[in-house]
Amino acid sequence: SQTIHQWPATLVQPVGSPLSLECTVEGTSNPNLYWYRQAAGRGLQLLFYSVGIGQISSEVPQNLSASRPQDRQFILSSKKLLLSDSGFYLCAWSGTGSGANVLTFGAGSRLTVL
Amino acid sequence: QKEVEQNSGPLSVPEGAIASLNCTYSDRGSQSFFWYRQYSGKSPELIMSIYSNGDKEDGRFTAQLNKASQYVSLLIRDSQPSDSATYLCAVRGIGSYKLIFGSGTRLLVRP
Repeated sequence: SQTIHQWPATLVQPVGSPLSLECTVEGTSNPNLYWYRQAAGRGLQLLFYSVGIGQISSEVPQNLSASRPQDRQFILSSKKLLLSDSGFYLCAWSGTGSGANVLTFGAGSRLTVL
Repeated sequence: QKEVEQNSGPLSVPEGAIASLNCTYSDRGSQSFFWYRQYSGKSPELIMSIYSNGDKEDGRFTAQLNKASQYVSLLIRDSQPSDSATYLCAVRGIGSYKLIFGSGTRLLVRP
């Protein structure tokens, strides 16, 4: 069966510091991968998605970036965090073809920028 | 106009009642529709998916889709306190990899 791992679960970072969140998927190959952010009391905002190694689509212009160095690894980064980057970051995966419809989320990473 | 709209709630219903959650979407080309449940502090989990007009039932849950009205709903029968959560509606367009979420409706089931 497929599982998705996301870490760290919680982090507190000062403004201007770098960020790296990592996500890996097991039990499948060539998944579609996604990064969403959820601000407190808000819905899910799609940040990036990837349909293959090195293929990243950005949805929202901001100081975040994403990379997919391996088939089942998706990384969210920032060189300098802003207060507005605080939120709950969710990695998700879906299959391809007919399996592309269903999105499964990781446990999430809660980021607080002070 | 938001792409996917939901009433933020909270929707409060007594235990055993039917909870009705509603969602509208703006893209007429949307073809896949989903309901996710999110407990406080947790990640969303899929409850139902629906792709064609009409009703789809799964246990106590029924999803309803009306593409002409661009409307999708979720009915929860025999609501339980454990159903108290935020329910997120999500929509995918034709040929799109992106799943667009509404802001969610918070449901409270009173014992």
